[in-house]
Amino acid sequence: QQQVKQSPQSLIVQKGGIPIINCAYENTAFDYFPWYQQFPGKGPALLIAIRPDVSEKKEGRFTISFNKSAKQFSLHIMDSQPGDSATYFCAASGLETSGSRLTFGEGTQLTVNP
Amino acid sequence: DGGITQSPKYLFRKEGQNVTLSCEQNLNHDAMYWYRQDPGQGLRLIYYSQIVNDFQKGDIAEGYSVSREKKESFPLTVTSAQKNPTAFYLCASSMGSGWGETQYFGPGTRLLVL
Repeated sequence: QQQVKQSPQSLIVQKGGIPIINCAYENTAFDYFPWYQQFPGKGPALLIAIRPDVSEKKEGRFTISFNKSAKQFSLHIMDSQPGDSATYFCAASGLETSGSRLTFGEGTQLTVNP
Repeated sequence: DGGITQSPKYLFRKEGQNVTLSCEQNLNHDAMYWYRQDPGQGLRLIYYSQIVNDFQKGDIAEGYSVSREKKESFPLTVTSAQKNPTAFYLCASSMGSGWGETQYFGPGTRLLVL
């Protein structure tokens, strides 16, 4: 019940395309959903996060869509660039269950071709 | 220049040997974490510490040990009991251990078995 399932495992798009990465969770106590971006050989860094009181959050070219009833959330990257090529992780935590402790998805390796 | 440092960048372990990975932060954060990253498996929590002189097991603590004697330091020892230690190890910290806290990651240490 603590798992977060992420898909696809890898994704290749052309420059300007809109890659979409999906995550699904089972634990209804989860109420904080961050996305982390990781470049090769580096540690992950927080990209954007959402709480379930909103259905969408946008920061620059990155948008999170959240569907509470389906227990799913997704990351969209508008006008993708080769510099966006990285591994993306979704994660989740719950106020009542885990505090700051995060459960991560398996990761999606995104390649944006020029 | 604030941040999290991990050393060494690469570490080689012989059979039956214990090795210690260093993690230091100068962000004045209370909470610190150790994750293991394997291809296709995301980040899995090994140990975390909410405050000095206190730490808790994560999801895959077997074969690992930690200490938290100073606020800024959280070393991880990979013991000989860990039969498959080859992985990328990431240290992280957050200001507190409450809900929605952003975790900041170090650059990682890659552990290889000789």
